[in-house]
Amino acid sequence: DIQMTQSPFTLSASVGDRVTITCRASQSISSLLAWYQQKPGKAPKLLIYEASSLESGVPSRFSGSGSGTEFTLTISSLQPDDFATYYCQHYNTYPWTFGQGTKVEIK
Amino acid sequence: QVQLVQSGAEVKKPGSSVKVSCGASGGTFSTYSVSWVRQAPGQGLEWMGGIIPMFGRTNYAQKFQGRVTITADEFTTTAYMELSSLRSEDTAVYYCALSSGSDGTFDIWGQGTMVSVSS
Repeated sequence: DIQMTQSPFTLSASVGDRVTITCRASQSISSLLAWYQQKPGKAPKLLIYEASSLESGVPSRFSGSGSGTEFTLTISSLQPDDFATYYCQHYNTYPWTFGQGTKVEIK
Repeated sequence: QVQLVQSGAEVKKPGSSVKVSCGASGGTFSTYSVSWVRQAPGQGLEWMGGIIPMFGRTNYAQKFQGRVTITADEFTTTAYMELSSLRSEDTAVYYCALSSGSDGTFDIWGQGTMVSVSS
């Protein structure tokens, strides 16, 4: 199975900060990577697919980059609604697997 | 836009089985991949397996092989996930999720079903 490793586990930031989350795959997954946002008690929400494509309706302050084994999710200016947990997920081969998550907290 | 509505919370005994349903409304269902993803309390997301209803083709994570069965009924536009030989570690919220865009990306989610396993 392909292992997905996110860093950091938690991130403390302030409104307006630029935030970057990293996701590494244990082997190349081309650009077959998605990012999700999850808030407590809610289902995840798709933000980014194919590493850098913004899902319809997602604010443009979210962006993704990378290919192969290293990927990043960037929030250009953190907003109050962005405090949540973020997950990466590959869909290169079965089984599709998620990173362990990065919690973005208020500083 | 398709919406997914799941069945209600379940409390089960160890060794028993649970079957969770996921009904789709508001759009086509059968040509998309439907997956099941679970989340144990305070933990991350775990893909269990999926199905393309039109073809009935399934894929399961090795971890759940032999214990999970995913099915779908095109006519009622409902997908099902049955997990057998339940143990306490199976206590989790179970989500169904649809890949209506790129296969493998989950752009539509059900609300989740809490399954508690306790003696």
